[in-house]
Amino acid sequence: NAGVTQTPKFQVLKTGQSMTLQCAQDMNHNSMYWYRQDPGMGLRLIYYSASEGTTDKGEVPNGYNVSRLNKREFSLRLESAAPSQTSVYFCASSAAGNSYEQYFGPGTRLTVT
Amino acid sequence: AQTVTQSQPEMSVQEAETVTLSCTYDTSESDYYLFWYKQPPSRQMILVIRQEAYKQQNATENRFSVNFQKAAKSFSLKISDSQLGDAAMYFCAYKGYGGSQGNLIFGKGTKLSVKP
Repeated sequence: NAGVTQTPKFQVLKTGQSMTLQCAQDMNHNSMYWYRQDPGMGLRLIYYSASEGTTDKGEVPNGYNVSRLNKREFSLRLESAAPSQTSVYFCASSAAGNSYEQYFGPGTRLTVT
Repeated sequence: AQTVTQSQPEMSVQEAETVTLSCTYDTSESDYYLFWYKQPPSRQMILVIRQEAYKQQNATENRFSVNFQKAAKSFSLKISDSQLGDAAMYFCAYKGYGGSQGNLIFGKGTKLSVKP
């Protein structure tokens, strides 16, 4: 049982390049989330997927797109990376229902030069 | 919109002593959940403890306990018998009910150092 996995762990991009961050969970969770963490800040929600087939914007969605490929996988795409997107990105998942806590992946450190 | 405030950017505690990390939040909801997450240098986010707002009893997990004051909208974390492995960033988080209100809202974190 690996929990939540993310790839890659580190990535350096040039401004304007595109890339996709991958996330998968093996806990049969319905809900999945993408956050970013910047220095001196807590985690901020980019997008979430309450269930397979649905996605919704979070607090900071600009410059990102997501795909809920199936119940297990939720990817985050940067179409044209900008230095302001330099951050640590976390994927998380939770079971359905309001009381369930979120389980986090190990994070991806992305640097855009 | 809900907000979470952690007023202590950094805290320090002597090994084996007790430390309390503060958290306040703002909400108009009556039912919600509160969490404390630990983030060690490995970056992994680890759930420490959670509290349901409808429960008057404060949550406890081994050396970790909370002081939940609903009227004051305060949710502090007490770490007893501090250990070197407790050194980490600690984030307070709020979760409302349903839809987008069910997403986690984080404070900016408190960096805890433990001195041997």
